[in-house]
Amino acid sequence: DTAVSQTPKYLVTQMGNDKSIKCEQNLGHDTMYWYKQDSKKFLKIMFSYNNKELIINETVPNRFSPKSPDKAHLNLHINSLELGDSAVYFCASSQGAGGGSGNTIYFGEGSWLTVV
Amino acid sequence: GENVEQHPSTLSVQEGDSAVIKCTYSDSASNYFPWYKQELGKGPQLIIDIRSNVGEKKDQRIAVTLNKTAKHFSLHITETQPEDSAVYFCAVNTGFQKLVFGTGTRLLVSP
Repeated sequence: DTAVSQTPKYLVTQMGNDKSIKCEQNLGHDTMYWYKQDSKKFLKIMFSYNNKELIINETVPNRFSPKSPDKAHLNLHINSLELGDSAVYFCASSQGAGGGSGNTIYFGEGSWLTVV
Repeated sequence: GENVEQHPSTLSVQEGDSAVIKCTYSDSASNYFPWYKQELGKGPQLIIDIRSNVGEKKDQRIAVTLNKTAKHFSLHITETQPEDSAVYFCAVNTGFQKLVFGTGTRLLVSP
């Protein structure tokens, strides 16, 4: 009964490849997010979707493309992977308009991406 | 944009001691201040939050205090236990429907 689940948990891939991370939430939330956590543990929002509509795009390179087929899913596609993309990517969700409105953000367990 | 500073970056305490982590922010319009705990290999999890209409909130061994005038808020953990060892993040909301996270504090509680 995992609330926010993302796959894969670990991903090792070569530079230049294209990869996807999938995320699903079973909490009935309206808003989903992708966060990136680098090696220094800095946690930064990348994208936010509310009812399948993009509401936050934090100047992420356009090699990163989120896709939300429905409000329970938010997948992250990354093209032409670079060494600097190595990080932990967290999917998250919250009720209502977003984390800024005071609704709790629920995070998945993270996807460890290593680009070699 | 919102600037959130968090200190200290690492904190080591003995079991039973108290731990205090402080965050400062820049946007006076911010009104929601959560704290998240991230255990090793896990995603961050909300442990306590406070809104701008109160100055302090407690939940068992943890408490958060807010000073809106000075634009800082703190997490207080009393009677620390080894299972409190984790990375703690403060966060602040902005007017653009998002949370900005602090830089994190690695807390180590030694038995």
